[in-house]
Amino acid sequence: GAVVSQHPSWVICKSGTSVKIECRSLDFQATTMFWYRQFPKQSLMLMATSNEGSKATYEQGVEKDKFLINHASLTLSTLTVTSAHPEDSSFYICSARTGTSGYNEQFFGPGTRLTVL
Amino acid sequence: QKEVEQDPGPLSVPEGAIVSLNCTYSNSAFQYFMWYRQYSRKGPELLMYTYSSGNKEDGRFTAQVDKSSKYISLFIRDSQPSDSATYLCAMIPSYNQGGKLIFGQGTELSVKP
Repeated sequence: GAVVSQHPSWVICKSGTSVKIECRSLDFQATTMFWYRQFPKQSLMLMATSNEGSKATYEQGVEKDKFLINHASLTLSTLTVTSAHPEDSSFYICSARTGTSGYNEQFFGPGTRLTVL
Repeated sequence: QKEVEQDPGPLSVPEGAIVSLNCTYSNSAFQYFMWYRQYSRKGPELLMYTYSSGNKEDGRFTAQVDKSSKYISLFIRDSQPSDSATYLCAMIPSYNQGGKLIFGQGTELSVKP
């Protein structure tokens, strides 16, 4: 199957700093990438959808100025958590898919665990 | 009411048991149905995908979709300790061309040796 990587896998930062998470599709071109966050023992919550070369579409309640998403190429999307606070501590997962309509399998990355002190 | 309801468990079974995992949903437009497996601190991986109603079998796994009852199931036969994980159902409505997945809460499964 297709492979999606995330970097870093784990990050600890101080409150007020910004953290960038990378999501890469290693062996396919991803027209669409999705960013999720997951709290312990809870399901994945979609934060935003990004298409290559376009602005991301954020879900209701997600602050676009706080969670900056860039999808500059067909193999790379980044999520920057700006001015992180302890409540932003979570497991962030990206997924990527080819195609733009109907069903195309989403391939998930391994996730990034963010801890804000 | 959530669009997709899934019993969070935890569910504990002995090795070799048949496991039944279920989700109910309220949106009749859901057309694509998936089951994902997620090991602790890892991303989800696709187990089964079904379009519309019917059954699908893959090795020890069987997925069933009953659109009339708005109910989907995943059966695991001869369960193994390596099946211990969280199982998430996910759905996409027919009108959503963007592929946005609607996830259930996930059921935590533990298979004891």
